[in-house]
Amino acid sequence: AQSVTQLGSHVSVSEGALVLLRCNYSSSVPPYLFWYVQYPNQGLQLLLKYTSAATLVKGINGFEAEFKKSETSFHLTKPSAHMSDAAEYFCAVSVAAGNKLTFGGGTRVLVKP
Amino acid sequence: AAGVIQSPRHLIKEKRETATLKCYPIPRHDTVYWYQQGPGQDPQFLISFYEKMQSDKGSIPDRFSAQQFSDYHSELNMSSLELGDSALYFCASSLGTQPQHFGDGTRLSIL
Repeated sequence: AQSVTQLGSHVSVSEGALVLLRCNYSSSVPPYLFWYVQYPNQGLQLLLKYTSAATLVKGINGFEAEFKKSETSFHLTKPSAHMSDAAEYFCAVSVAAGNKLTFGGGTRVLVKP
Repeated sequence: AAGVIQSPRHLIKEKRETATLKCYPIPRHDTVYWYQQGPGQDPQFLISFYEKMQSDKGSIPDRFSAQQFSDYHSELNMSSLELGDSALYFCASSLGTQPQHFGDGTRLSIL
């Protein structure tokens, strides 16, 4: 079985500041890890994925995440927040390609001008 | 690029009624997934199909059923609707080892 924990249900950052969203996972097998973003009344859009290649993964919109096996973490960062980054972010784990996703509880990001 | 299409976008039903949600996956994608996202909650996996055969089942109530048709579209059928079924229902599709792509969801409201 697998699970995901996102620390902090709400994060507030100033425009131009670092965005850091924390994700820890539990998996009995090497995981596939994903970050998705959800804007109001929309579906989930893939930001980036980790599938056992490079541990530092770059995604869309300037986001990146680092897989740390020793810490079972997959934290998401962006050096400089934009107003358009205000959304809810979900970390998700899968045990294999083509398998269901198990999501964390989500982190809602507020960007202050 | 083509995306996952879900219909309807919004649906209002009363308790004990039935509902059918439709999903049209990205062309050539071989797997379809259904998720339920309650208010303020994370998406929960319901069921998936690979090449029109059920491939995995999650916490889907017995009142719900789903199938994938020969043209690869999928339908989620929900009967004896309850207030707690009010949620956003997502369909996603994928091909092989590629990540899942999500539709915009169907918002189901039970009165």
